[in-house]
Amino acid sequence: EVQLLESGGGLVQPGGSLRLSCEASGFIFSNYAMSWVRQAPGKGLEWLSATTGSGGNTYYARSVRGRFTISRDNSKNTLYLQMHSLRAEDTAVYYCVKEDKSGYSSGVFEYWGQGTLVTVSS
Amino acid sequence: DIQMTQSPSTLSASVGDRVTITCRASQSISNWLAWYQQKPGKAPNLLIYRASTLQSGVPSRFSGSGSGTEFTLTISSLQPDDFATYYCQQYDSSPWTFGQGTKVKIK
Repeated sequence: EVQLLESGGGLVQPGGSLRLSCEASGFIFSNYAMSWVRQAPGKGLEWLSATTGSGGNTYYARSVRGRFTISRDNSKNTLYLQMHSLRAEDTAVYYCVKEDKSGYSSGVFEYWGQGTLVTVSS
Repeated sequence: DIQMTQSPSTLSASVGDRVTITCRASQSISNWLAWYQQKPGKAPNLLIYRASTLQSGVPSRFSGSGSGTEFTLTISSLQPDDFATYYCQQYDSSPWTFGQGTKVKIK
């Protein structure tokens, strides 16, 4: 059974930093691209970033490019999202998502974690 | 970026009704379209990909159709478990983008 367990969310001040983690199990982690998708309170879904199975390629939405960094440690079956220069509009539930391909980000979000809430406020 | 527009934003229906949700893309995306279901407080769940391919385990009352810029999600006979919000999403070109969602409510 595929499981994705996010952690690291919480309250952070504007301009601050936070690192989210996503521990994966139930599949061969290094074989699949992974993404982060967020959802602001009461709003829709926004794709943020993706990384290929090897971690050799990364992709970002314009809204987070230069502020967020996606990475993965395949030896630990863990995906990360390092977030800097956080703004109030970054307040959202952040989902870790398993895609259905390995060598590239297909954009098909096959399995989702339960999400972790990030609140940016003073 | 490719804009995805769903209609309606909200619909009220009864158990047993046939329900259709429309999704339009701002440019042609071939059939690179997925549909997701999200219940309150839960993560989205993949229902359909490549516009019409049912994800494993998804009930056959769900179906998808369309290509190019216009797509539909149909629930043939609405069940109590289907009251939720539905999102379309294009994966033709990055950044991957979602529609704003359609909330299916109990009439």
